[in-house]
Amino acid sequence: SYVLTQPPSVSVAPGKTARITCGGNNIGSKSVHWYQQKPGQAPVLVIYYDSDRPSGIPERFSGSNSGNTATLTISRVEAGDEADYYCQVWDSSSVHVVFGGGTKLTVL
Amino acid sequence: EVQLVESGGGLVQPGRSLRLSCTASGFTFGDYAMSWVRQAPGKGLEWVGFIRSKAYGGTTEYAASVKGRFTISRDDSKSIAYLQMNSLKTEDTAVYYCTRVSHGGNPEAEYYFDYWGQGTLVTVSS
Repeated sequence: SYVLTQPPSVSVAPGKTARITCGGNNIGSKSVHWYQQKPGQAPVLVIYYDSDRPSGIPERFSGSNSGNTATLTISRVEAGDEADYYCQVWDSSSVHVVFGGGTKLTVL
Repeated sequence: EVQLVESGGGLVQPGRSLRLSCTASGFTFGDYAMSWVRQAPGKGLEWVGFIRSKAYGGTTEYAASVKGRFTISRDDSKSIAYLQMNSLKTEDTAVYYCTRVSHGGNPEAEYYFDYWGQGTLVTVSS
């Protein structure tokens, strides 16, 4: 089955740029979707199809995907961005949805 | 406004059954595939399964960890999706989220979840 690998944690100072990676075999050939989950809340879709933003998601959130790594980039990080972030792909060969293990973003 | 409200969670003994419901509003329920995602305490997200819309056969897919024990169904007339959980194990303890898939089940489309419910906690313990 397809495996997605995320770093357990990323730390960033306010106002700086956070980059959260999601690794997978030739992930660049798939579409990657990203979710934000704040403590005690349900996940929220923040990026779909690698780099598209749902309405209401700030432009500070962007995504890219190439080779074996997809990246969620959060520019001008704010304290309110502190959350767990999960990447997700659709594995059409197994007809399964796959989530990465999640990355805890800490704003210093 | 799209809303998904889960119900039916609670404490259940190992080996027993439980049925969760997801009541949807704010969109044409029958046009979308619906999915369940769970999260064990302190752990990450785990996809459980989904059911396609009737336009795509209303068929289902499941994660290996629940296949044969869990069944997803839908009642489009009531805008409700169900998760029937049988032969429950302690490792099934989790918050169960109902999610809307971004389309009805088009095999050429990506599966991702554009709306989530607030979740319902299922605790399997003796």
